Amino acid sequence: NAGVTQTPKFRVLKTGQSMTLLCAQDMNHEYMYWYRQDPGMGLRLIHYSVGEGTTAKGEVPDGYNVSRLKKQNFLLGLESAAPSQTSVYFCASATALTRASYEQYFGPGTRLTVT
Amino acid sequence: LAKTTQPISMDSYEGQEVNITCSHNNIATNDYITWYQQFPSQGPRFIIQGYKTKVTNEVASLFIPADRKSSTLSLPRVSLSDTAVYYCLVGLSGYALNFGKGTSLLVTP
Repeated sequence: NAGVTQTPKFRVLKTGQSMTLLCAQDMNHEYMYWYRQDPGMGLRLIHYSVGEGTTAKGEVPDGYNVSRLKKQNFLLGLESAAPSQTSVYFCASATALTRASYEQYFGPGTRLTVT
Repeated sequence: LAKTTQPISMDSYEGQEVNITCSHNNIATNDYITWYQQFPSQGPRFIIQGYKTKVTNEVASLFIPADRKSSTLSLPRVSLSDTAVYYCLVGLSGYALNFGKGTSLLVTP
């Protein structure tokens, strides 16, 4: 049971390049999330998914797209990278503790630098 | 989303009890209160969650007053390894949550 894994762990992009970050979870969780964390800041929600085939915008969705074609995978895409997207990206998945409360499990993060 | 307010930083000595209070005046009836811990270069880790009164697990205790407008995370006898950022979240965790900046706890010998 690997939990939540993220690929790649590190990446350097030039401005304007595109890339896709992959998040995979093997816990059969319904909910998945993408966050970004800038130095000295808390986590900000980019997009999230409440089930296979569904996605929704979070607090900072501009410049990113996501897809959840399979329940276990949540992809985050940057179509045209900008220096402002330099950050650490965390993926998480959630399971229900009770009918209305959940626990999020986080991946190790992807450190992205855009030059 | 319920807005939360917690101290930016706290300092403690090893062996002391640390209490971190979070204010959430606009908490909704169905909202839960959840605390996460984050070490440098790692993703956050779930610590404890509660709805009302007191919840205790092997790591921490969570105290929630009757009006639920605040909550206190209590860490008994902290060690150096408890140095981390602690986030208070309010909401239905299956949906969008606001992590905020958290409280940076520094434990020294």
